[in-house]
Amino acid sequence: EVQLVESGGGLVQPGGSLRLSCAASGFSFSDYSMSWVRQAPGKGLEWVSYINGSSSVIYYADSVRGRFTISRDNAKNSLYLQMNSLRVEDTAVYYCVRGLGVAIRFDPWGQGTQATVSS
Amino acid sequence: DIQMTQSPSSLSASVGDRVTITCRASQRITASLNWYQQKPGKAPELLMYAASSLQSGVPPRFSGSGSGTDFTLTISSLQPEDFATYYCQQSYIIPWTFGQGTKVELK
Repeated sequence: EVQLVESGGGLVQPGGSLRLSCAASGFSFSDYSMSWVRQAPGKGLEWVSYINGSSSVIYYADSVRGRFTISRDNAKNSLYLQMNSLRVEDTAVYYCVRGLGVAIRFDPWGQGTQATVSS
Repeated sequence: DIQMTQSPSSLSASVGDRVTITCRASQRITASLNWYQQKPGKAPELLMYAASSLQSGVPPRFSGSGSGTDFTLTISSLQPEDFATYYCQQSYIIPWTFGQGTKVELK
C-alpha cells in the first residue's frame, strides 16, 4: 500500500522555523516527484513546492520562495520542507503528495501536519 | 499565474440527484485538469485526471469533460458518501493552481 506520513508540525512564533518530514512507503520513492501542498484553516488548497526524483529540479510558489527549502533523501524514503522566517499566513495543514504523470496530478496525499504560526 | 474559478461555490442536493460542477481557467490549459474530493477532516483524494480520465478505484458515476478553459465534473447519481468539497487543479504550468472549491451539501 502506498503511504505518506507527515510529521514535524507545531506551534511557532512569527520569524521562527519548522522542519516538516514525510515518510514514504509502498512504492519506489526515487522514481517519483514529490510536492508539498498546504491548506490554511477553512480555505482552499495551495501548491507550495516540487522536487523531482533526483532532486535536480525544484520549484517553489512565489509566496514561499527564499524562505522554504524542499529536499529529499531517497535512501531514507523521506521528503522534507525546511520552513524559515515563518509568517502568520503560513499557518496551514501541510500535505505531502506524490506526483504522477508529465502533467502532474497529486496522488496519494498524506494525512497532513498542522503548522501554526502565532505569537 | 493561471486562475481557476469553480462554480458554484456550494450547492445543496439530494441522494440520487445529478450534480455538475464547473471549473474555468483564466487561460487555455489544454486538458491538463485534475479533480479532487475532500471530506471534512481528511486529506484530498484524486478523482479525475487529464480532464476526463477516471482515477483507479473511483466509481463510474463520476465523469469529467472539457478542454481549453472550461471543464465540468459530473456525478450522475449522488450517493451519501459523495457529500464533500471538490477542487479542480490545473497541471498545465507552474505554479500549479487550484480552484476555490465547491462544497456539495445535503438538501
